[in-house]
Amino acid sequence: DQQVKQNSPSLSVQEGRISILNCDYTNSMFDYFLWYKKYPAEGPTFLISISSIKDKNEDGRFTVFLNKSAKHLSLHIVPSQPGDSAVYFCAASNKLIIQGAQKLVFGQGTRLTINP
Amino acid sequence: DGGITQSPKYLFRKEGQNVTLSCEQNLNHDAMYWYRQDPGQGLRLIYYSQIVNDFQKGDIAEGYSVSREKKESFPLTVTSAQKNPTAFYLCASSTPGVAGYNEQFFGPGTRLTVL
Repeated sequence: DQQVKQNSPSLSVQEGRISILNCDYTNSMFDYFLWYKKYPAEGPTFLISISSIKDKNEDGRFTVFLNKSAKHLSLHIVPSQPGDSAVYFCAASNKLIIQGAQKLVFGQGTRLTINP
Repeated sequence: DGGITQSPKYLFRKEGQNVTLSCEQNLNHDAMYWYRQDPGQGLRLIYYSQIVNDFQKGDIAEGYSVSREKKESFPLTVTSAQKNPTAFYLCASSTPGVAGYNEQFFGPGTRLTVL
């Protein structure tokens, strides 16, 4: 049972344009969502997060939108740069599941390629 | 310079041998985690630990064991009982934030290949 899904395995965007990565979840108890960026053979790097009390969070070129009724979140990168080429994972959590430690459920990832 | 170190980066073992993957953090984080990544899949939680001398099974704990004798160390042993051990293994740590939420910080990973 895949609780967090990224239905697009790959996405190709031209440099300077907007990249939009999507993520859907099924568990309505999730109340905290994160996006990670991962280069090959390296560990994921935290990008941005959003709690369920918000519908938007912005950090520089990165904006995450949360639509709770649709159980959908998206990551917008604008403008896209060549260094943004990586695999992006969305993750979800319910802080009530564990106190202290936090169990994250990850999507399968979307490979983003920025073309010059 | 705080962070998480995992060693070695690449590890080869013969089938049937146990192998231990190292994870050390100097971030003073209480919680530590082990994940496994397979091609085309997301990260799956193997084990996690909230504090020293305590750890819990994640979603795919069968064939693995851990220990947490020190706050900064959380080694993972892949035993011969793990049916498909070849994978990329990631260690992470976290500490509760102001609102109780926190992001996990990941190490560089260890690629284990069982021959």
